[in-house]
Amino acid sequence: KAGVTQTPRYLIKTRGQQVTLSCSPISGHRSVSWYQQTPGQGLQFLFEYFSETQRNKGNFPGRFSGRQFSNSRSEMNVSTLELGDSALYLCASSTGQIQETQYFGPGTRLLVL
Amino acid sequence: AQKVTQAQTEISVVEKEDVTLDCVYETRDTTYYLFWYKQPPSGELVFLIRRNSFDEQNEISGRYSWNFQKSTSSFNFTITASQVVDSAVYFCALRGGYQKVTFGTGTKLQVIP
Repeated sequence: KAGVTQTPRYLIKTRGQQVTLSCSPISGHRSVSWYQQTPGQGLQFLFEYFSETQRNKGNFPGRFSGRQFSNSRSEMNVSTLELGDSALYLCASSTGQIQETQYFGPGTRLLVL
Repeated sequence: AQKVTQAQTEISVVEKEDVTLDCVYETRDTTYYLFWYKQPPSGELVFLIRRNSFDEQNEISGRYSWNFQKSTSSFNFTITASQVVDSAVYFCALRGGYQKVTFGTGTKLQVIP
């Protein structure tokens, strides 16, 4: 079974721009969660989607948004980028049952200049 | 609210030494799940183990072992005869109910040859 894939793997943007990151979950998985990882803040939860509905949301400003498509693929969007948005963005997929493990993708490294 | 504490920020050991990574958690849920992940320098989080709140059996997998004690709300991870390839950041995580998965701040393990 193919693992979680994320595209692009690396991205450089400038302040004020917007960016869209994509995540394809493991086949059969219906839940996708997004995390932001920075050296100072660690792993921070952004949101979780299950069957195209946002199930959980972290404490991020409205500039961060996401969606999930009927094939379970998910995208997250960050508008009006700030320098502090530079981070590793990780996507994780699971079946969506609470006992199930989340499996992570390789991440997208975003650098905002 | 859920909370995971990994008090050890960084640990250095000499190869072949045993090392224990501590994890203490807080949750009000009676049913919950605990996880350990490994994050090598490449960045991708690798799933190591899942344990549910009803199963306090310790588990051993090769050089890895886990000690789950509900009485002290701890889920510690021991690497026996450490190797350089064990160098990574290790995260403990908790999920109760359909809440988001809460991660600890991670413990960076450096194994010196």
